[in-house]
Amino acid sequence: DAKTTQPTSMDCAEGRAANLPCNHSTISGNEYVYWYRQIHSQGPQYIIHGLKNNETNEMASLIITEDRKSSTLILPHATLRDTAVYYCIVRGGAAGNKLTFGGGTRVLVKP
Amino acid sequence: DAGVTQSPTHLIKTRGQHVTLRCSPISGHKSVSWYQQVLGQGPQFIFQYYEKEERGRGNFPDRFSARQFPNYSSELNVNALLLGDSALYLCASSLTGAETQYFGPGTRLLVL
Repeated sequence: DAKTTQPTSMDCAEGRAANLPCNHSTISGNEYVYWYRQIHSQGPQYIIHGLKNNETNEMASLIITEDRKSSTLILPHATLRDTAVYYCIVRGGAAGNKLTFGGGTRVLVKP
Repeated sequence: DAGVTQSPTHLIKTRGQHVTLRCSPISGHKSVSWYQQVLGQGPQFIFQYYEKEERGRGNFPDRFSARQFPNYSSELNVNALLLGDSALYLCASSLTGAETQYFGPGTRLLVL
């Protein structure tokens, strides 16, 4: 399974953009990058995913480097409700359809 | 539309007992996956089912089993409960298993 590396924690100011990095240097060509977040004691919430191109939806933007070895999740205007653990997951290919969660990044949005 | 639903929300059992957890997928989704999340860790994959067939199994003992019904709902069964089985059990559904998985709220199991 391709593994991901994320910072353990980060703080962000309310109203500012939050940029969450993820390294996935062993990703293979047919594997996707997925982002989920988990607010305390709730089920993980899907945010966004991508293969090669940058993606944007109503929640966030995903920037994937050209070599696909890293990506950044951008929350454009963080709110207090964005405080959560954010998981970057590489999925597909030989690893199949399961989601392999690492430790994630604990994001604290401060007023 | 309703999301993934799970029941019960909370459960307390004692060691050695058996437990059954239930999951109803999003309407139209035919695949269900189960995950275990121990406190302080990320979710760990247990099973994936599609069209009532097991499509994947994680590194869990045979005490863990699951099945999927014709209406695509699913049950996770755990026999001979251990203290270490205390966790949040999450169910996720997707169209066929290969697409985005959407999670339910989970069932919190406490084994005493």
